[in-house]
Amino acid sequence: NAGVTQTPKFQVLKTGQSMTLQCAQDMNHEYMSWYRQDPGMGLRLIHYSVGAGITDQGEVPNGYNVSRSTTEDFPLRLLSAAPSQTSVYFCASSIRRNEKLFFGSGTQLSVL
Amino acid sequence: SQQGEEDPQALSIQEGENATMNCSYKTSINNLQWYRQNSGRGLVHLILIRSNEREKHSGRLRVTLDTSKKSSSLLITASRAADTASYFCAYANSNSGYALNFGKGTSLLVTP
Repeated sequence: NAGVTQTPKFQVLKTGQSMTLQCAQDMNHEYMSWYRQDPGMGLRLIHYSVGAGITDQGEVPNGYNVSRSTTEDFPLRLLSAAPSQTSVYFCASSIRRNEKLFFGSGTQLSVL
Repeated sequence: SQQGEEDPQALSIQEGENATMNCSYKTSINNLQWYRQNSGRGLVHLILIRSNEREKHSGRLRVTLDTSKKSSSLLITASRAADTASYFCAYANSNSGYALNFGKGTSLLVTP
């Protein structure tokens, strides 16, 4: 099992550009989530999904969209990148919400 | 913010010593979890303690939970240089659909 796979590992964008961060898991987990990690702020929840076709907002959802068309994939879309979205992004999954999370290795995003 | 708070923010000890980190939270919980993050990597789950448990052990790790004080502690015994990492507590927040909210972490440095 590969676990949770995130791509790309690094990305540089210009302000206003859009992009999609990919996340896939092969553990048949129902629950998937996206976090961003900023220095001194810990991890903050962006969006989460409790199953295919079901998504909801976390603590910092503005500027991000998600969809969950399959159990395996949970992409995160930046609609119009802003410098404030410079961060490290982590995707995580678990068999159910509130249970042990498995994390991907992260995407380091810089918005210029 | 719904984040928990770890204390201390940073801790420096020598190999062989014990390391204790504390976590306080604000809501009622089903469980509380501890994670480790090595520099530049994704988070790794260490231990989960349920609300009806008071203490749990895993190898050199001991976690306690006091729901009346809304606090938890993580003890690492006989620390090794390889334990150098950031440690985060996480708990489910009813305001975010019971998705896990993370504290800001304790940075542990273990010197030989």
